[in-house]
Formats: sequence, structure tokens, C-alpha cells
Amino acid sequence: EAGVTQFPSHSVIEKGQTVTLRCDPISGHDNLYWYRRVMGKEIKFLLHFVKESKQDESGMPNNRFLAERTGGTYSTLKVQPAELEDSGVYFCASSQDYMGGYTFGSGTRLTVV
Amino acid sequence: GNSVTQMEGPVTLSEEAFLTINCTYTATGYPSLFWYVQYPGEGLQLLLKATKADDKGSNKGFEATYRKETTSFHLEKGSVQVSDSAVYFCALSAGFGNEKLTFGTGTRLTIIP
Repeated sequence: EAGVTQFPSHSVIEKGQTVTLRCDPISGHDNLYWYRRVMGKEIKFLLHFVKESKQDESGMPNNRFLAERTGGTYSTLKVQPAELEDSGVYFCASSQDYMGGYTFGSGTRLTVV
Repeated sequence: GNSVTQMEGPVTLSEEAFLTINCTYTATGYPSLFWYVQYPGEGLQLLLKATKADDKGSNKGFEATYRKETTSFHLEKGSVQVSDSAVYFCALSAGFGNEKLTFGTGTRLTIIP
């Protein structure tokens, strides 16, 4: 089966611009998660979708971040406007149920200059 | 809240050396514990897991034992190879693996021939 796909793999944008990251989960996986790793620190949870609904968005840092999941399939994470501290690697993961564990994508490296 | 403290890196070892990467955690209840690995240019991969006290997770020659009395989940391998060079993340979840993960900061391991 195809894995979790994220794109772009890299993005460099200027402060104040908008960037949209996309995640395509494994087909049939109801659960989709976003995480990010900033400045070589720990990977932190952002939010969790179950199908198209936001189950937990307690990790979203502020209202400049907007996540959507269209029809319970792919998800986008938009940062608007981007700030320097948003630079990092954004990971997406999906899973079918609690027994299967997660499958992570390769991540999107975002650099805000 | 939950937290994971992981051995600071980077760690550099010679091939065939013994590896230990320390991981301790703070959590309420009975978390599940994980080690994830990120090889260069790839996404996070689950290396091993343990879901209850005294469980030993193992994979690819790596082992870790869930020690509730010391709240630890140290990663070990008896003889490392160059191909083990990667970043290793210790993580926990409050549930059975389908809930949000709390990660440590990661340990970069480099194995030299």
C-alpha cells in the first residue's frame, strides 16, 4: 500500500506570506495527525482528525494555523501569515485504529525567512 | 502533563559497539511507550513499542524494556552497524497507540566504520 504522502517536501517563504502544506494519508485511515518539530527540539502534537472532524486541536499554536480535512481524505495545514518561529519540519501521520499504530510521512521542511 | 526526557546527542560510536540511549518519562496512568527512528531523508518509522510494565519491545536487534518502577524505556543494541545511523525518538501515548504522542527531543546517532 502507498504510504503517507506529504508535499511539498521543502518550502521557503518570506515572513508574512501564506503557505499550505498537504498530507495524503493511507487510503482508508480514518485518523490523521499533524505534528511539528521546531529547531531540533521535540516533536509536538498539533491536531488530530477523525475522518473530517477535528478530534483534538489542543496543540495548534495560534489562529494563524488552519487545518482542514476534505471529505475525510487528504488534509491541508495553512499558515497565514507565516512568522519566523514557524520554521521547522511538519509531519503528518495516519492510522486506522488504535491497534495499528501510526504511519508517518516524510515531513515538510518549512523555512520562513 | 506527560513528558519524555531523552539522552542528549549527538552520539557517535564505532561499528559493533554497544548502544544505549536513555529515555525516562512522566505520565499519569499506564502509558504505552515507543521508539521511533528517522533515517536520513525519510519519515518517522516505528522501531518498537511496549504497552505495559515489564514488556520488552524488540526489532532489528534493538530492545527496550518498559520499567514502571524507574519510569524508563532505554533503547539498547548489542552491536551497531553503519546503517543504524539515524535520529531516534522516544515517545509515549496515554492510550493504545492511537492517541497523540508525546516525544522526546531526539538523539542523533552516527556510527563510524
